[in-house]
Amino acid sequence: KNEVEQSPQNLTAQEGEFITINCSYSVGISALHWLQQHPGGGIVSLFMLSSGKKKHGRLIATINIQEKHSSLHITASHPRDSAVYICAVTGNQFYFGTGTSLTVIP
Amino acid sequence: DGGITQSPKYLFRKEGQNVTLSCEQNLNHDAMYWYRQDPGQGLRLIYYSQIVNDFQKGDIAEGYSVSREKKESFPLTVTSAQKNPTAFYLCASSIQGAAETQYFGPGTRLLVL
Repeated sequence: KNEVEQSPQNLTAQEGEFITINCSYSVGISALHWLQQHPGGGIVSLFMLSSGKKKHGRLIATINIQEKHSSLHITASHPRDSAVYICAVTGNQFYFGTGTSLTVIP
Repeated sequence: DGGITQSPKYLFRKEGQNVTLSCEQNLNHDAMYWYRQDPGQGLRLIYYSQIVNDFQKGDIAEGYSVSREKKESFPLTVTSAQKNPTAFYLCASSIQGAAETQYFGPGTRLLVL
């Protein structure tokens, strides 16, 4: 049983494309996190949100609490966006999705 | 320059050997966490500590041990009881609790010889 499901698992895009990664969860949460993991393994926190939408540069994260769903959008994608994007939720503990591997081709 | 450091980057373990992974933070965070990452799986929580001299088991604590003698340090020992230790280990910290943004270290890759 996975408390957090992400789709797609793998995604290949041409540079400049608009990208969407989806996350659905089944537990009650206090916050949802989007993380970025680059080759080599280090993880960076991109967003923490509990409602609505947040934007940082070309990245936009949205959450619908009623539908238990979040999306991460990347506008004007670039090869340096290539990474694994992980959705995580915090209820009484952290639950992590298995990640979406994004490759952006020049 | 605040952050979390983990060492070593790569670690090799022989059968029956205990090894210790280091995690240090200078962010003045109260909470620290250890995760294990395996291919095709999400991060899984091994142990966490919300305050010095106190820690709790996570989902997969068997075969591991930790200590939290100092606020800035949270070492993880992989004991010989852990039969499948080959994985990528990530340490993280947050200001107080799990609902907050966690800051991750660069990770340690453990391989069994």
